[in-house]
Amino acid sequence: AQRVTQPEKLLSVFKGAPVELKCNYSYSGSPELFWYVQYSRQRLQLLLRHISRESIKGFTADLNKGETSFHLKKPFAQEEDSAMYYCAISNFGNEKLTFGTGTRLTIIP
Amino acid sequence: NAGVMQNPRHLVRRRGQEARLRCSPMKGHSHVYWYRQLPEEGLKFMVYLQKENIIDESGMPKERFSAEFPKEGPSILRIQQVVRGDSAAYFCASSPGKGTGELFFGEGSRLTVL
Repeated sequence: AQRVTQPEKLLSVFKGAPVELKCNYSYSGSPELFWYVQYSRQRLQLLLRHISRESIKGFTADLNKGETSFHLKKPFAQEEDSAMYYCAISNFGNEKLTFGTGTRLTIIP
Repeated sequence: NAGVMQNPRHLVRRRGQEARLRCSPMKGHSHVYWYRQLPEEGLKFMVYLQKENIIDESGMPKERFSAEFPKEGPSILRIQQVVRGDSAAYFCASSPGKGTGELFFGEGSRLTVL
């Protein structure tokens, strides 16, 4: 069975400091990994997917199959990064997502 | 494009009543997903539908819950004889079905069972 673990419920980081949101997964097969974000008073939306290998809003995430991790990173946090972040997994080509419990990131000015 | 529309946003029901939650997908999207979020938990998959078909209902409780996505009109998640444990936020998401993994979410419907 698929499982996504986000060990930190809450994370506070000072503005300008590096951010790392942890995500570990268990899966058999070819997983696709995603990060979704929910800003205050907004809908849950896709932030980035591992297959795209792109940086969105300064965030990157590298899939580490050996450690079964997909941590989200940003070198310099900004106040507008404060939000709820969810890691998610699916079968390759399948859009049925399994979500982690989420991490609330707060950027301290 | 108005995005995924869910209504009602808030619904209060007494134990034993029925709850109906509606979801209109984004224009051009024929795939609908329902998720439930219990307090302090992540989003849990419930059901995946395409027009007039249930594709995957592996996350639906065996009793009292049903979903449909008719040819015309919104998708409906129906909960019969609600119990306090059904109190949760129910999210609908849609996609055009291209396999990108990008789901477009509604704002959710919060069900409170008294």
